[in-house]
Parts: sequence; structure tokens; C-alpha cells
Amino acid sequence: NAGVTQTPKFRVLKTGQSMTLLCAQDMNHEYMYWYRQDPGMGLRLIHYSVGEGTTAKGEVPDGYNVSRLKKQNFLLGLESAAPSQTSVYFCASRDPRGSQPQHFGDGTRLSIL
Amino acid sequence: GDSVTQMEGPVTLSEEAFLTINCTYTATGYPSLFWYVQYPGEGLQLLLKATKADDKGSNKGFEATYRKETTSFHLEKGSVQVSDSAVYFCALSESYTGANSKLTFGKGITLSVRP
Repeated sequence: NAGVTQTPKFRVLKTGQSMTLLCAQDMNHEYMYWYRQDPGMGLRLIHYSVGEGTTAKGEVPDGYNVSRLKKQNFLLGLESAAPSQTSVYFCASRDPRGSQPQHFGDGTRLSIL
Repeated sequence: GDSVTQMEGPVTLSEEAFLTINCTYTATGYPSLFWYVQYPGEGLQLLLKATKADDKGSNKGFEATYRKETTSFHLEKGSVQVSDSAVYFCALSESYTGANSKLTFGKGITLSVRP
């Protein structure tokens, strides 16, 4: 009964380093999302995907790239990390049929020094 | 564009007190409305939802009514418990069953309940 799993849970990077955050869901959901959460800002959508092989920009896409090569996985990449990308990152997935909610992972806390 | 405005926080209450968290929205169409809750160290969980005007969502003693005339979706609970301490987010989605059902979130409000 895993739901949405994010790895890693914590990471510290130096400015300019790159890394990939992994999101995996076992609910066979078509839609997947990446958000960032910052104090006083709520959640802001970075990128999303409506199916395998598709991605689209959200509200704050700059500095991030994503890939959805497999339906169950949605990867978020930082090519050259900046201190402004210090945040908590959440992945979510959703079944597009009917009135279904988004299911969230537990988050990845990322610090850029 | 769409927006969600929540009352400023944080909010601190004593156990068994009455809770109201205000939420108003701006949307171009006919949105669905949600309340999500985030417990410490966890991701967001759906608390309740309403998909059309005058609908009342309810769960775990919490209620919220979709008021189209006042564009509001205020969250209420008659008697809060220490275990209700969390961050609460109001959110809307313009096309819930559409091809790109994105959520627009409010900034969230932290609730602390004292024993």
C-alpha cells in the first residue's frame, strides 16, 4: 500500500551541482505533478504530466526539467542547482476519471548551499 | 487567473474550541473546491471536497460548504482536538475531470491546538 513514494527524503547540494528527484506511484495513475512548498507561498506547480511520454510546464518551471518515460515514474531534475531552489518538493498523482483527489508523497527536503 | 485566499495565520486554539478557517476564491469557470491537511513531516492529504454550488463536504468532524454567491469555502469544526494540529490548505480546480486538472492552492494556515 505504498501510494506515492519520493526519493530521496533529504538532500544537501552545493550551488551548481545537479541531481534528480524520483517519484514513483503504484496506483496506475495517468496524471502526475511536481510542486515546491516554500514558507508563506503555499504549493506551486513546477511541471506536470498527463501520461507516459508527456510533460508540461506549471507555474514555476524555470531551472527544472522533468521526464515521464514510464507511467509509474516522474523524475524532476535540477541541472545546475541554485540557493533559490532550496525548498520542500512534493510529488502527486491522480486518476483522471471522475472526482478523484491528488495523492501526495511525503516530500523531499532539498537544501542548496 | 485563478486564486485562493486564506485567512492569515497561525491559529492557536484550546482543545474543544470551535474552529473556522476562512477561504475565498477567484475563478473564471465553475471550480471544484478542496481542503487538504498536512500533518508534520508528511505530504498533503485530502480532507474534504465539494464539486458544485451548495455542496457540503465533510470528514473527521470538519465541514465546508461551497458558497458561490460569496465565492467562499470556509472550513469549520465544532470541537478541535490536539491531533488536529496541522497545516490546512484550501484549493480549487477549474476542470476537475479535464485533461489538465491542476490545483491552485492557498498559502496554507497552521493550526495548533493546546491540551
